[in-house]
Amino acid sequence: AQSVTQPDIHITVSEGASLELRCNYSYGATPYLFWYVQSPGQGLQLLLKYFSGDTLVQGIKGFEAEFKRSQSSFNLRKPSVHWSDAAEYFCAVGLNQGGKLIFGQGTELSVKP
Amino acid sequence: KAGVTQTPRYLIKTRGQQVTLSCSPISGHRSVSWYQQTPGQGLQFLFEYFSETQRNKGNFPGRFSGRQFSNSRSEMNVSTLELGDSALYLCASSLNTQGDEQFFGPGTRLTVL
Repeated sequence: AQSVTQPDIHITVSEGASLELRCNYSYGATPYLFWYVQSPGQGLQLLLKYFSGDTLVQGIKGFEAEFKRSQSSFNLRKPSVHWSDAAEYFCAVGLNQGGKLIFGQGTELSVKP
Repeated sequence: KAGVTQTPRYLIKTRGQQVTLSCSPISGHRSVSWYQQTPGQGLQFLFEYFSETQRNKGNFPGRFSGRQFSNSRSEMNVSTLELGDSALYLCASSLNTQGDEQFFGPGTRLTVL
């Protein structure tokens, strides 16, 4: 069965520090991969997506992610975190047969001043 | 271009009642998906509609149903509400169903008393 694992439930980083959020997926074929961010009481906003091609993808707000097929991973990174980045981050797999997304459990990011 | 809109934003019901939630996709989007978000289970896929047809369905009981109209607007219905149905219900729309980016609405917060 398809699944997405985000091993870190909660991460705290200092403002200005680098960030890496981990995501591992289980899927038989090459997946469509997404990172979404959700602020409290809000819907989800797409940060970036991977469909094919270059395995390093750039997104909005200075985020990037790298697809590693050998490790079934799609980790999200940002070189310097801002206080406004505090939110919950979700990794998702899009299945080829339709618009269904399988989400990880999410990682809550806190930013220390 | 207007985003995905969901109505109502907040809803309080009692056990045994039924509820209908509405979603208006982005203009031109033909795929609408619904997700349930709870603290314990995270984001779970309910179903997806494309051109008025249900294309994918998640693992939810038959009390959860949906439909899509010719203008792509969608509704979901939950009958015989249970306390565990309290959740944030998110609607997402996309241009088509082949792994396209899904744009999420702000959600409907349902509380079952």
